[in-house]
Amino acid sequence: ETGVTQTPRHLVMGMTNKKSLKCEQHLGHNAMYWYKQSAKKPLELMFVYNFKEQTENNSVPSRFSPECPNSSHLFLHLHTLQPEDSALYLCASSQDRGTGSYEQYFGPGTRLTVT
Amino acid sequence: GQNIDQPTEMTATEGAIVQINCTYQTSGFNGLFWYQQHAGEAPTFLSYNVLDGLEEKGRFSSFLSRSKGYSYLLLKELQMKDSASYLCAVKDSNYQLIWGAGTKLIIKP
Repeated sequence: ETGVTQTPRHLVMGMTNKKSLKCEQHLGHNAMYWYKQSAKKPLELMFVYNFKEQTENNSVPSRFSPECPNSSHLFLHLHTLQPEDSALYLCASSQDRGTGSYEQYFGPGTRLTVT
Repeated sequence: GQNIDQPTEMTATEGAIVQINCTYQTSGFNGLFWYQQHAGEAPTFLSYNVLDGLEEKGRFSSFLSRSKGYSYLLLKELQMKDSASYLCAVKDSNYQLIWGAGTKLIIKP
């Protein structure tokens, strides 16, 4: 248990569906992240929020839409996804996104399958 | 571009020692991290190096050479539970973590 929870753990959706992934951290951290993890590929950073403000969007398609209502919660809204979007989506948090040895704490991930 | 290289897979024997290498080319350097990820689980933090040299933490040690763009993770007295993927990541000049694809370590009895 890392102090970061994600729901749902598994999700199967059609290309025309709309769904949302939820992440919650109980660590009092100020930075939160969404990553995509595909088999045998490096973790891909999607979005970063620091003190509830989005600081990075790594050229992610608009069919992925993040939302950070407060420093403890992070959502990823999904719509009209493609089969190649099937992957493990990981949420992480850290004390800060800047200098220092602030390691990131990861949630267990949502295994997404797009049919 | 930015790049992190590490072997795809390694095999070692229970009780032995294994060294997992990581080389990097990044825009700036603000520290190097090692994470462990068991199959189907979240990555968990193992170590952080920002200065050259060896950091020891129990059975695990991590080494860094900034001039060579090189790090390794050393695992001693291997146990079956050490079977996992080991991820190397470098924090670049924008404080963004650049990740390697991970090394899958298989431990045999």
